[in-house]
Amino acid sequence: DQQVKQNSPSLSVQEGRISILNCDYTNSMFDYFLWYKKYPAEGPTFLISISSIKDKNEDGRFTVFLNKSAKHLSLHIVPSQPGDSAVYFCAALSSRSGYALNFGKGTSLLVTP
Amino acid sequence: DAGITQSPRHKVTETGTPVTLRCHQTENHRYMYWYRQDPGHGLRLIHYSYGVKDTDKGEVSDGYSVSRSKTEDFLLTLESATSSQTSVYFCATSGGQGWGEQYFGPGTRLTVT
Repeated sequence: DQQVKQNSPSLSVQEGRISILNCDYTNSMFDYFLWYKKYPAEGPTFLISISSIKDKNEDGRFTVFLNKSAKHLSLHIVPSQPGDSAVYFCAALSSRSGYALNFGKGTSLLVTP
Repeated sequence: DAGITQSPRHKVTETGTPVTLRCHQTENHRYMYWYRQDPGHGLRLIHYSYGVKDTDKGEVSDGYSVSRSKTEDFLLTLESATSSQTSVYFCATSGGQGWGEQYFGPGTRLTVT
């Protein structure tokens, strides 16, 4: 049963515009959320995270928003660059129940010049 | 980067043969994980370790075993490989209290014929 869902398998955005990647979760015990970026033939790379006590976290061009009542988070990339083209995975965990990250299936982002 | 290497990077093996994948880290991280990535499934946890000789099962542990005799090495063994275990395998580590950011290795592509 998928507890973390990324319902958009792919997204195409023009360079310079905003990319918005969405993620929904079902487990109310999740209290820490992460985004990973993955290029082909490489391992996932940690991008940004947010704790459930916050509703926004910003790091340069990347901002993650958390809406706990809707069990929804989103990753905003502004401005988008061609080098951002990759697969983005949303992940979540419950700090009380262990160490396992629960991953979504990923969204493939293509940023076109 | 957490200095994580995986070996081999690619392997083709026959059904029924045992296979061992190795993960090596140089960061002295306490926690280590094995994931598999398959199309349509994202990353799924196979086993994890929270210290030397301390391991536990993840979501998809059937057909796999692990061992950790040293902090830096985490081995994943397929006792008798099956075609359903054809996948890309990623090792990850995390420090601190275990939950939070995990750092991934480059992956091992395993094909079982």
